[in-house]
Amino acid sequence: GENVEQHPSTLSVQEGDSAVIKCTYSDSASNYFPWYKQELGKGPQLIIDIRSNVGEKKDQRIAVTLNKTAKHFSLHITETQPEDSAVYFCAASIESGGGADGLTFGKGTHLIIQP
Amino acid sequence: KAGVTQTPRYLIKTRGQQVTLSCSPISGHRSVSWYQQTPGQGLQFLFEYFSETQRNKGNFPGRFSGRQFSNSRSEMNVSTLELGDSALYLCASSLSRPQETQYFGPGTRLLVL
Repeated sequence: GENVEQHPSTLSVQEGDSAVIKCTYSDSASNYFPWYKQELGKGPQLIIDIRSNVGEKKDQRIAVTLNKTAKHFSLHITETQPEDSAVYFCAASIESGGGADGLTFGKGTHLIIQP
Repeated sequence: KAGVTQTPRYLIKTRGQQVTLSCSPISGHRSVSWYQQTPGQGLQFLFEYFSETQRNKGNFPGRFSGRQFSNSRSEMNVSTLELGDSALYLCASSLSRPQETQYFGPGTRLLVL
């Protein structure tokens, strides 16, 4: 089955700096890659996703890049703010016509924004 | 629009008991997925339901089961509880499949003593 590795497990950055979280996946058939943010006491919230027909996607301060050949994808957060502090999870899945494969998650990155 | 709701939010059980957790998806969402979250294993996929049918199942023992009702509400059941079943159980809903925007509920925290 799919295996997703996520690094680093903890990331501390100064407010205003950029943060980058990286993930690798093992199944070359995976074609859907979402990123989730989880705050304390809450369920994960989708912040951005990318499909394998696209190399990069941006949404304001957040961007995701995908390298299918190397089987890795990354989350980039620019101009970090205190409210960006949370645990971030990457995931991978196979999206097919009638398919409903579950998401395979990385172990998470605890992002700490230092004031 | 109401979000995904899960009941109960907290639960304490003893080994050998069984437990049933409930999930009400966002109105109009027909796909419901369940995940187990633990500090050691992270988020792991349990199963997914659509139109009252289980379409996919993760790598969990048969003690973990679920069902979905005609109104898309879903329940999961864990029989013969073990200490290792202590976890946060998360439910997520989407329109028709997990690869669309999935909305997670706040989870049910289960403690097995």
